[in-house]
Amino acid sequence: NAGVMQNPRHLVRRRGQEARLRCSPMKGHSHVYWYRQLPEEGLKFMVYLQKENIIDESGMPKERFSAEFPKEGPSILRIQQVVRGDSAAYFCASSPGLTSGRAIGYEQYFGPGTRLTVT
Amino acid sequence: QQQVKQSPQSLIVQKGGISIINCAYENTAFDYFPWYQQFPGKGPALLIAIRPDVSEKKEGRFTISFNKSAKQFSLHIMDSQPGDSATYFCAASTVFGNEKLTFGTGTRLTIIP
Repeated sequence: NAGVMQNPRHLVRRRGQEARLRCSPMKGHSHVYWYRQLPEEGLKFMVYLQKENIIDESGMPKERFSAEFPKEGPSILRIQQVVRGDSAAYFCASSPGLTSGRAIGYEQYFGPGTRLTVT
Repeated sequence: QQQVKQSPQSLIVQKGGISIINCAYENTAFDYFPWYQQFPGKGPALLIAIRPDVSEKKEGRFTISFNKSAKQFSLHIMDSQPGDSATYFCAASTVFGNEKLTFGTGTRLTIIP
């Protein structure tokens, strides 16, 4: 049973380029969360999505960042016109959700992350 | 009010000893408190979690103690082993809210022989 998958694992972009990070949730999970981890810091919530819906994007910068979770395919975190300060590890987590009927539907499982370096 | 404060920032424990990491929260709406273990270059792995209806939960060598009135919870690692050396994060969320996790700043644990 595959866990949360993220790709690419490492991504290098020059300032001003676009970065696209992909996340495939665990099988049976319909909730996706994106978190950012700056060097030597904890994880900060960015956005929470369900299929075709953004539930909470309160942690996402207002400009240059967007996220989607289409009906088919992985969730995408998109960063336009990257700057050096965007360099970080970006983690995706998934959960089945309370409506899945599972008693612990709120447990979140993390992927291995995408390490973005902006040069 | 959304903060979760974690201490200590780093911890060195001898092999076989007890490692203790503490967290405190402010938001009384939080009702789910997981701990994650992270090795360098890896994603956080769910270690153990507790809901406020119990004051303690034990899984193998790992125990969570929860004090609802003090708004504090802690992770105890018994018989600490070198393989436990990692960064540990506490977190909190509202199960019936939007479930987003608010993390502590992490504790770098080193177990020495």
